[in-house]
Amino acid sequence: QITLKESGPTLVKPTQTLTLTCTFAGFSVNSNGVSVGWIRQPPGKALEWLALLYWDDDKRYSPSLKSRLTITKDTSKNQVVLTMTNMDPVDTGTYYCVHSSDYGSLGAPQYYFDYWGQGTLVTVSS
Amino acid sequence: AIQLTQSPSSLSASVGDRVTITCRASQGISSAFAWYQQKPGKAPKLLIYGASTLESGVPSRFSGDGSGPDFTLTISSLQPEDFATYYCQQFNSYLFTFGPGTKVDI
Repeated sequence: QITLKESGPTLVKPTQTLTLTCTFAGFSVNSNGVSVGWIRQPPGKALEWLALLYWDDDKRYSPSLKSRLTITKDTSKNQVVLTMTNMDPVDTGTYYCVHSSDYGSLGAPQYYFDYWGQGTLVTVSS
Repeated sequence: AIQLTQSPSSLSASVGDRVTITCRASQGISSAFAWYQQKPGKAPKLLIYGASTLESGVPSRFSGDGSGPDFTLTISSLQPEDFATYYCQQFNSYLFTFGPGTKVDI
């Protein structure tokens, strides 16, 4: 059974760095076709993809946030960590850890988010 | 970056209605396209991937169609548990984009 759980601060001050940890179970982040990443959602607004760490250690980031994001993994702890620098009140929202599988075939990868954590609300305020 | 637009942004419907939601990409994309359902206070759920393939366990009243740039999600007979917000999502060059969402309510 695949599970993911986010942990980290619920409140950060503007300009601080946010560090979120995703602890997962039921799969290996090194397995072919598996990836783990982060998606956020401001209150009452749409989903926004942030970052994904692919099984082969390839890391991809949202182009609009790339300069502020870093995604890393600790395989021994079954954890993936997201850091976001220079936090601003507009970064307030629910941050989800996600498992993504390659549903593609014939050498054409197609990754989708098939398992989600419960989400953690992060508020940015002084 | 590829942008996705959804229409309508919201709609009111009744149980038993046929509902169609459209998502348009800003440029031609492959069939690496998905739909998600999100209920209030819950994480989204994958409904359809590859533009038209139903995820395991998803009721057959949900269907997806289309190819870049236009995709549709259809609910053939709306059920009480289907009142939610629906998001489209595309995958291209190992990057992802979500649409702005369509809220379906009574």
